[in-house]
Amino acid sequence: DIQMTQSPSSLSASVGDRVTISCRASQSISTYLNWYQQKPGEAPKVLIYAASSLQSGVPSTFSGSGSGTDFTLTISSLQPEDFATYYCQQSYSTPYTFGRGTKLEI
Amino acid sequence: QVHLRQSGPGLVKPSQTLSLTCAISGDSVSSNSAAWNWFRQSPSRGLEWLGRTYHRSDWHNHYAPSVKSRITINPDTSKNQFSLQLNSVTPEDTAVYYCARSGNGYYDFWGQGTLVTVSS
Repeated sequence: DIQMTQSPSSLSASVGDRVTISCRASQSISTYLNWYQQKPGEAPKVLIYAASSLQSGVPSTFSGSGSGTDFTLTISSLQPEDFATYYCQQSYSTPYTFGRGTKLEI
Repeated sequence: QVHLRQSGPGLVKPSQTLSLTCAISGDSVSSNSAAWNWFRQSPSRGLEWLGRTYHRSDWHNHYAPSVKSRITINPDTSKNQFSLQLNSVTPEDTAVYYCARSGNGYYDFWGQGTLVTVSS
């Protein structure tokens, strides 16, 4: 299985901050990398697919970059509703695996 | 808009079978461009993909190695839904279970989640 490692596991930030979350794959996955946001009691919501494509309806403050093994999710200006847990997920080969998450806290 | 609605018991006894159903509206389980997936999430295992079913001139299933010997995912075209069966459950199978649609490699619509507790 491809292992996905996220860092940091938690992050404290303030409204208006720029934050970056990293994700590393245990082998090259080209750009088969997706990012999700999850709030307590809710299902995950896709933000970014194919490493850098913004899902319809997602604010442009979210962006993704990377290829191969190293990827980044950037939130350019934190809004109150952005405090949540973020997961990366590879769709290069089954079983499609997720990182352990980055909890973004105030 | 696609909507997925999960149903099934929230409590299962050890060694028995966990059964959940995911009803689809706004799309078809027979779609030739989508796949229908099951996941679970627990503090110990994180978010775990369990398997999928999809139709591409014929039906196909893929399962995660961790549950491959115990899992069955079946489409039901008459009711436009798909189901999860996980046999011989143990307390380690306690988790929130989700169904989700995928197309183009990512999961764009999810069910509401079902907390399943394995306990006698």
